[in-house]
Amino acid sequence: GENVEQHPSTLSVQEGDSAVIKCTYSDSASNYFPWYKQELGKRPQLIIDIRSNVGEKKDQRIAVTLNKTAKHFSLHITETQPEDSAVYFCAREETSGSRLTFGEGTQLTVNP
Amino acid sequence: DTAVSQTPKYLVTQMGNDKSIKCEQNLGHDTMYWYKQDSKKFLKIMFSYNNKELIINETVPNRFSPKSPDKAHLNLHINSLELGDSAVYFCASSQFEQGEQYFGPGTRLTVT
Repeated sequence: GENVEQHPSTLSVQEGDSAVIKCTYSDSASNYFPWYKQELGKRPQLIIDIRSNVGEKKDQRIAVTLNKTAKHFSLHITETQPEDSAVYFCAREETSGSRLTFGEGTQLTVNP
Repeated sequence: DTAVSQTPKYLVTQMGNDKSIKCEQNLGHDTMYWYKQDSKKFLKIMFSYNNKELIINETVPNRFSPKSPDKAHLNLHINSLELGDSAVYFCASSQFEQGEQYFGPGTRLTVT
């Protein structure tokens, strides 16, 4: 599948600040874009996802925006807390076969 | 009430050995996956089965052979283990083309 570019690879913020992670893709047929959080030594867990028929989705302190024209989507975390520290992965689903292609991950560190 | 389970959690073995990892899901999903996560945390799809039929088979050495005896189980057998096979292997499941994939806890394989 075609790659997903994820930036930045590491992000360090102070507690209470916002964090933004951005992903770009090239396959315009992709319609589903999940974000996973992986804490150290744990499994990846879905935290939010968005489908191509909407431009933004919010769940408490996290939000995802999607720009299909520009082929990028972003994760926004507001009022960050130390427990937000983890690796975050974006992904896109290919149009057939349920295949997810993941970005390379962003190590987010929230400093107390 | 574990959703996706894997055994074993840790596997330490010598080069040249053959080993198996087992995965089970009780979510009623029809699609299961194997992912490899290397030391750089990159998540890469290896295989996927839908209703016991192989639908994704990435460029993986043929020493790796998946088997799905039924929709709820997906096993991974690895022959002639090599040092480069050391990684965390995650099983996941989903409902076909409906988005969210649920990951198992992972199997950390160390080849010495």
